[in-house]
Amino acid sequence: DTAVSQTPKYLVTQMGNDKSIKCEQNLGHDTMYWYKQDSKKFLKIMFSYNNKELIINETVPNRFSPKSPDKAHLNLHINSLELGDSAVYFCASSQDLSAYNEQFFGPGTRLTVL
Amino acid sequence: QQPVQSPQAVILREGEDAVINCSSSKALYSVHWYRQKHGEAPVFLMILLKGGEQKGHDKISASFNEKKQQSSLYLTASQLSYSGTYFCGSVQGAQKLVFGQGTRLTINP
Repeated sequence: DTAVSQTPKYLVTQMGNDKSIKCEQNLGHDTMYWYKQDSKKFLKIMFSYNNKELIINETVPNRFSPKSPDKAHLNLHINSLELGDSAVYFCASSQDLSAYNEQFFGPGTRLTVL
Repeated sequence: QQPVQSPQAVILREGEDAVINCSSSKALYSVHWYRQKHGEAPVFLMILLKGGEQKGHDKISASFNEKKQQSSLYLTASQLSYSGTYFCGSVQGAQKLVFGQGTRLTINP
């Protein structure tokens, strides 16, 4: 049973395209996150949602739009992809809003923009 | 404010010990430790909440100093399976986890 799953695992696309990444958790958690990990392994939070409500919205270009249809799902849509968007994107979830909780990460989606 | 980890990379032989440090110029609410193996997701190791706290997990343990500005992760008698990148994370605003830049640990046979 996969706790946090993401699709697709790999995404290769051309500059200017629009793409989406989907995330689902079956842990019954209230809070979900999107992180970006760049080529230097730096792991940076992008967004967090709690019960479908946007909580954290870091300094991310508005080409990135998260959507949470329910508390078990958090999707990430990216418009007009740029070379600098190439990275591994991780979805994560935690029990609730408190950052003192353990976060469970999905397997990641490696996005390559050509 | 991003916590600072040191060293950036460590190479050990199996059975040797390692220490990874995580520091901040300001007191931290707490420190999280995660390990990420190559090509995999980060996995939670432990969280320290109180100044002076020490916590163990098999041969991996961590401490949080009294001023809550430094945490150290100790890996004793390292095994091949310990290889990976270790991240500390500090809580900011009680809702956001900010990670350090990571320490890459390589264990050779």
